[in-house]
Amino acid sequence: DQQVKQNSPSLSVQEGRISILNCDYTNSMFDYFLWYKKYPAEGPTFLISISSIKDKNEDGRFTVFLNKSAKHLSLHIVPSQPGDSAVYFCAAREYGNKLVFGAGTILRVKS
Amino acid sequence: DAGITQSPRHKVTETGTPVTLRCHQTENHRYMYWYRQDPGHGLRLIHYSYGVKDTDKGEVSDGYSVSRSKTEDFLLTLESATSSQTSVYFCAISETTSGSAGELFFGEGSRLTVL
Repeated sequence: DQQVKQNSPSLSVQEGRISILNCDYTNSMFDYFLWYKKYPAEGPTFLISISSIKDKNEDGRFTVFLNKSAKHLSLHIVPSQPGDSAVYFCAAREYGNKLVFGAGTILRVKS
Repeated sequence: DAGITQSPRHKVTETGTPVTLRCHQTENHRYMYWYRQDPGHGLRLIHYSYGVKDTDKGEVSDGYSVSRSKTEDFLLTLESATSSQTSVYFCAISETTSGSAGELFFGEGSRLTVL
């Protein structure tokens, strides 16, 4: 049973507009949530994280929002750029410093 | 970039043969992990290590074993490869500090094809 779910396999947005990637989780014991970005033939790279005691974290064009009551988080990218086209993975940290990943969302930013 | 090297980067093998993938780090991080990436499943944890000779199973550990005899090296072994183990394997490292997310840093991946 998947503890971290990304229900949208893909998302397409126009350059300059906002990209919103969503993630749901089931385990209330996760203490951190992270987003990773992955280009083809490369390893995932860390993008941004949020503690379970926060509801928002911002880093440049990237903002992550956490709604604990709904067990939902989202990544906002504003403005979206063609170089943002990649697979985005949501991850949650459980005991033992292990990350549980979602299935990923393919983001395509059209110029 | 975190100093993580995976070898081999590509391998084709036959069903029933043993395979070992190597992960080498130069960061002296305590934690090391092996994940596999498959379409529709994202990244799934196979095994991880929290110190030399300290390892534990992950979500999809059946058919895999690991060893960590030195801080810098983490080996993943498929004793008898099966076609279901065709995948891209990623090694990752991490060093936790209090109050941080303990993000993982990933290698570039090893693509394994089992015929």
